[in-house]
Amino acid sequence: DAGITQSPRYKITETGRQVTLMCHQTWSHSYMFWYRQDLGHGLRLIYYSAAADITDKGEVPDGYVVSRSKTENFPLTLESATRSQTSVYFCASGRIAGPSTDTQYFGPGTRLTVL
Amino acid sequence: GNSVTQMEGPVTLSEEAFLTINCTYTATGYPSLFWYVQYPGEGLQLLLKATKADDKGSNKGFEATYRKETTSFHLEKGSVQVSDSAVYFCALNLYGNTPLVFGKGTRLSVIA
Repeated sequence: DAGITQSPRYKITETGRQVTLMCHQTWSHSYMFWYRQDLGHGLRLIYYSAAADITDKGEVPDGYVVSRSKTENFPLTLESATRSQTSVYFCASGRIAGPSTDTQYFGPGTRLTVL
Repeated sequence: GNSVTQMEGPVTLSEEAFLTINCTYTATGYPSLFWYVQYPGEGLQLLLKATKADDKGSNKGFEATYRKETTSFHLEKGSVQVSDSAVYFCALNLYGNTPLVFGKGTRLSVIA
């Protein structure tokens, strides 16, 4: 029971480079989310998806792209990384039906540093 | 818009002390309220929740009551342990599994 995994766990990149953060869940949850965690801001929503091929912007979507061709994967791409995107990124998933449809399950996070 | 305000940390307590972390919210409609906990080096995990007014959520000795009249959901524990050291986030959403709106988090350190 792998649950929800993120890769890489740590990443250092340079300004202007493209970076993709991976998120994979084994529960077949319909909902998936990307949040970023910054000191003084808590967690803020970047993008979310209610099902495969359905995505929607959150509070801080600029500079990020997502796709969801398969239910279990929800990659987040920084098209041209900037220093302000240095953060810890959390992926989460949740059910659309059945028990605990209001609970989100979080991955372990990816710590991204943009130099 | 919807927002959550929780007390700033860090909070440092001795083992067996009483804990309160304040949380208030602003929301259109009738939100569900949550406390998530983040242990060092880990992702967030749900600690407890309440989905309607006067509901009490509880787990691992922690409790919080949904108070509509004061728009609050304060987290309490009667006797904290060193293992409770973590960051605690208050959050809300409006229905189902829609995105969560988080407070800024409160870091708790419990010393022996």
